[in-house]
Amino acid sequence: DQQVKQNSPSLSVQEGRISILNCDYTNSMFDYFLWYKKYPAEGPTFLISISSIKDKNEDGRFTVFLNKSAKHLSLHIVPSQPGDSAVYFCAATVSLTSGTYKYIFGTGTRLKVLA
Amino acid sequence: NAGVTQTPKFQVLKTGQSMTLQCAQDMNHNSMYWYRQDPGMGLRLIYYSASEGTTDKGEVPNGYNVSRLNKREFSLRLESAAPSQTSVYFCASSVLDTQYFGPGTRLTVL
Repeated sequence: DQQVKQNSPSLSVQEGRISILNCDYTNSMFDYFLWYKKYPAEGPTFLISISSIKDKNEDGRFTVFLNKSAKHLSLHIVPSQPGDSAVYFCAATVSLTSGTYKYIFGTGTRLKVLA
Repeated sequence: NAGVTQTPKFQVLKTGQSMTLQCAQDMNHNSMYWYRQDPGMGLRLIYYSASEGTTDKGEVPNGYNVSRLNKREFSLRLESAAPSQTSVYFCASSVLDTQYFGPGTRLTVL
């Protein structure tokens, strides 16, 4: 049962335009939502997060939107740059009684920004 | 400050062999995790450790064991490797809601 879904395995966007990556989830109890970026042969790196009580968070060219009624998360990258070409994972966290978080990841979307 | 380090970077095993993947973090984080990444499957949690001395199973723990040796180190052991364990393995540590990942170990089991 995939609790976090990224239905688009790939996306191509022209340099300078907006990239929109989407993520859907099924569990209303998630605390935080995060986006990670992954280059080949490297580990994922944290990009941006949003608390479940907010609907938008912005950091430079990156904005994450959360629509709780639709259980939908999106990452906007404006303007897109060739260096943004990577695989993007969305993730959601669940609080555990041990005081830590468990992270549930989507399957990833490969973004290609064309020069 | 190296962040999260993993050794080895690459490993080839024969079916039935054993090995330990090492992970260390220098950020003084309490929580550490082991994931595997397979094509089309995203990152799946194998085991995690909320603090030194505790470990818990994730989604796909079968065939693996872990040791939280101290606050810095969290190792993953394959006792009898199988071809289904061919994957890229990532270790991570976390503070609050953010995880930090190591560079990964690419493991092939023949």
